[in-house]
Amino acid sequence: GEDVEQSLFLSVREGDSSVINCTYTDSSSTYLYWYKQEPGAGLQLLTYIFSNMDMKQDQRLTVLLNKKDKHLSLRIADTQTGDSAIYFCAEKDDKIIFGKGTRLHILP
Amino acid sequence: DTAVSQTPKYLVTQMGNDKSIKCEQNLGHDTMYWYKQDSKKFLKIMFSYNNKELIINETVPNRFSPKSPDKAHLNLHINSLELGDSAVYFCASSQDERAAGNTEAFFGQGTRLTVV
Repeated sequence: GEDVEQSLFLSVREGDSSVINCTYTDSSSTYLYWYKQEPGAGLQLLTYIFSNMDMKQDQRLTVLLNKKDKHLSLRIADTQTGDSAIYFCAEKDDKIIFGKGTRLHILP
Repeated sequence: DTAVSQTPKYLVTQMGNDKSIKCEQNLGHDTMYWYKQDSKKFLKIMFSYNNKELIINETVPNRFSPKSPDKAHLNLHINSLELGDSAVYFCASSQDERAAGNTEAFFGQGTRLTVV
């Protein structure tokens, strides 16, 4: 069945870049997403990429997609304390499947 | 003008009780979902409805029954609540995936269910 894998924790110093990685198994995924969940809140879509794209940039966010390796990454430039959250990778074919989430911790 | 709203936000109840969580979306979307997020923050799909029709039903106990009176509402009814049902339940909606364009899912704020 479909599966989405991502590491559970990442610590980054304020001002550095954060890179969160994700792998997925469903090659027929049409869209791939990054969602952000702040403490006590629901999920908020950060960005998405269509499966025929390699890269998408949106201000401090850069999404890279390697479709051959089924690898998706999210780079956050100049990481701020407000970026501290859980980041969920998700793929969509007939339903949206989420990874277990990467908890991003910002070091002072 | 909340896009996806679910009630209640918090629900504390005793084992064995029956409870419902309501969800409404005002986005005109055709597809609605229920997700369960456990204490480790793992998020799993439970159900998906498209135009009031059940299209996805993951391995969920029969005690959980979704009800969609119309395409703007998807309520979750849980019978005979157990301790292991304690979690945060998220409702979400998206446009019909067969429609053109991105089908981003919009999430409600979650309902924290605690079974004691």
